[in-house]
Amino acid sequence: GAVVSQHPSRVICKSGTSVKIECRSLDFQATTMFWYRQFPKQSLMLMATSNEGSKATYEQGVEKDKFLINHASLTLSTLTVTSAHPEDSSFYICSARDGGQGGNTIYFGEGSWLTVV
Amino acid sequence: EDQVTQSPEALRLQEGESSSLNCSYTVSGLRGLFWYRQDPGKGPEFLFTLYSAGEEKEKERLKATLTKKESFLHITAPKPEDSATYLCAVTQGGSEKLVFGKGTKLTVNP
Repeated sequence: GAVVSQHPSRVICKSGTSVKIECRSLDFQATTMFWYRQFPKQSLMLMATSNEGSKATYEQGVEKDKFLINHASLTLSTLTVTSAHPEDSSFYICSARDGGQGGNTIYFGEGSWLTVV
Repeated sequence: EDQVTQSPEALRLQEGESSSLNCSYTVSGLRGLFWYRQDPGKGPEFLFTLYSAGEEKEKERLKATLTKKESFLHITAPKPEDSATYLCAVTQGGSEKLVFGKGTKLTVNP
């Protein structure tokens, strides 16, 4: 089946630095990718919708200058957390829409744990 | 008000004890209803997409059904490895965004 891969799975960074998380669709082209954040024992919170070749659409309350999203190709989207602070520590998950063959399935990556120290 | 409501919030079953999880929705213009399984510390794993009332899909011990107001995820003779949080989500109208329910945490005891 379709696979969405995230990298890195875990990252620790120092406060004030930036960190990049990659999301790749491995066997389909994803015109749309999504980025989520999940706190312990809570549901997924949509941060932004990323469309290939255009600017991402951010959800209300999400700082676009802090969470930079780039979707430069049909198989790769990146999330960069800029000037990270401890409160940005969280589980970040991407998903990608496979619209091939008339379907509309959305697959998720394995998630990336970010710890800011 | 919630557009997607899952019940129960938590469910404990004995191994082999079949049951069903419910997902009711109030969105208009349903494009798709999705079921995912999420294990702690991992991303959701895709299970099924249902598009229209009356549709059913099966995978191993799981069977998903859809009506105009709700979906059921039936688990037949569950095993401890089926323990996870099961998430239901919908897409509607012209939006590609998933609207999630809060999930049902399933625990299957040996």
